[in-house]
Order: sequence, then structure tokens, then C-alpha cells
Amino acid sequence: ETGVTQSPTHLIKTRGQQVTLRCSSQSGHNTVSWYQQALGQGPQFIFQYYREEENGRGNFPPRFSGLQFPNYSSELNVNALELDDSALYLCASSQDRRTDTQYFGPGTRLTVL
Amino acid sequence: QQQVKQSPQSLIVQKGGISIINCAYENTAFDYFPWYQQFPGKGPALLIAIRPDVSEKKEGRFTISFNKSAKQFSLHIMDSQPGDSATYFCAASMDSNYQLIWGAGTKLIIKP
Repeated sequence: ETGVTQSPTHLIKTRGQQVTLRCSSQSGHNTVSWYQQALGQGPQFIFQYYREEENGRGNFPPRFSGLQFPNYSSELNVNALELDDSALYLCASSQDRRTDTQYFGPGTRLTVL
Repeated sequence: QQQVKQSPQSLIVQKGGISIINCAYENTAFDYFPWYQQFPGKGPALLIAIRPDVSEKKEGRFTISFNKSAKQFSLHIMDSQPGDSATYFCAASMDSNYQLIWGAGTKLIIKP
């Protein structure tokens, strides 16, 4: 069974640029959630995708957008990057949107200069 | 009402001792309470979870105690080992959306 994978591992961007982060969900999982984890803090929920549709969104501006593909992999896009967007971005997959357990990938460390 | 408050921020325990981390919540609609363990450079990994219909759940050296009336839950790590040194997060979610609301984390150091 393949776990959750994310790419890239690290990324450096400048303010105003756009970034795309990728996540492959665990085999058999149809739900993907994205979280932002600032240094020294707990993760903050960005949004969740279930069967290619957004299934809930946290308190993040519209410049944070996402996509889920038919194979249930997912992308997180962030436009007009700001310095405060620097964080670890975590992807988690679960077997179904009604399933408790979320399995996390190793994250993508984004630095905005 | 969405917050989960976690304490302490950091904790140092001697090898073989008991590590205790506490969390409190406000939203009575929360009905799923997991604990995650995170090592540096890694994503969080589910350690143990509880629902409000039980007051305690034990898995190996890890125990969750849950007090519904006080809206508090805690993680106990028995016989703490240096390999347990990590950051621990409590979280909570509601049946309606399974969006996890996280505590701020506790950095645990086990001294040999």
C-alpha cells in the first residue's frame, strides 16, 4: 500500500508569484484535505476535496484554490504569494469523506521571499 | 468556539516516566478527538483517537482520557522513551465535516 506523497519537498518563491503543490493520495482513498502549518503552530485547514469536488473550506482567501483529479490526486494552487504564506503545506487523504482517520504526507515546505 | 487549546507548550520527562499533555475545547458539537505525533521534517501521524461515548482508550503505552462535562481530554504516555521525543498535537472535528481543528502542539523531550 502506497502512502500519501507530496511534491515538491521544498520550494522557494518570491512575493507575488504563483505556486502549485501536488499530492497523491493513499491507494483506495477518495478524499483529500489540505492544511497549512506555520512554524511552531498546529495545522490550519484549507479545504477538502471529495470525488473531484470541494467539500468544505477553512478561513483562507480565494487565492488559495485546489483541484482533485479522477485518480483522486490533488493540487493546491496559491496565487499572488505573500510573505505570510511561508509554511509547511500538508496533504492528508482518507478513505471517504465520512471516515475519521486522515493519513498525512510529509508536506511541502514553501518559503516566500 | 472552534478553538482547541493545548498545554503545555513544551515538556521534558525522564526516561521511564509518564508524559501528560492536556487539551480543552469549547464546541460541544465536536465528537472525534485524535492525537497526532509529528517528527521534524515529517507529516503528522495518527497516534490514537477517541469519541465522547467512552472516557478512556488505551493502545499500548498511549492512553487518552476524556472528560465530556469538563470538555477536556488528555494524552498519557507511560514508560516514556527517547524515541517518543516529538511534537504532539491534539485535534477535534465534528461529524458533519471531519475538518480537523488542531491544538498548537506540545514539544516533548524524553531525557535518557
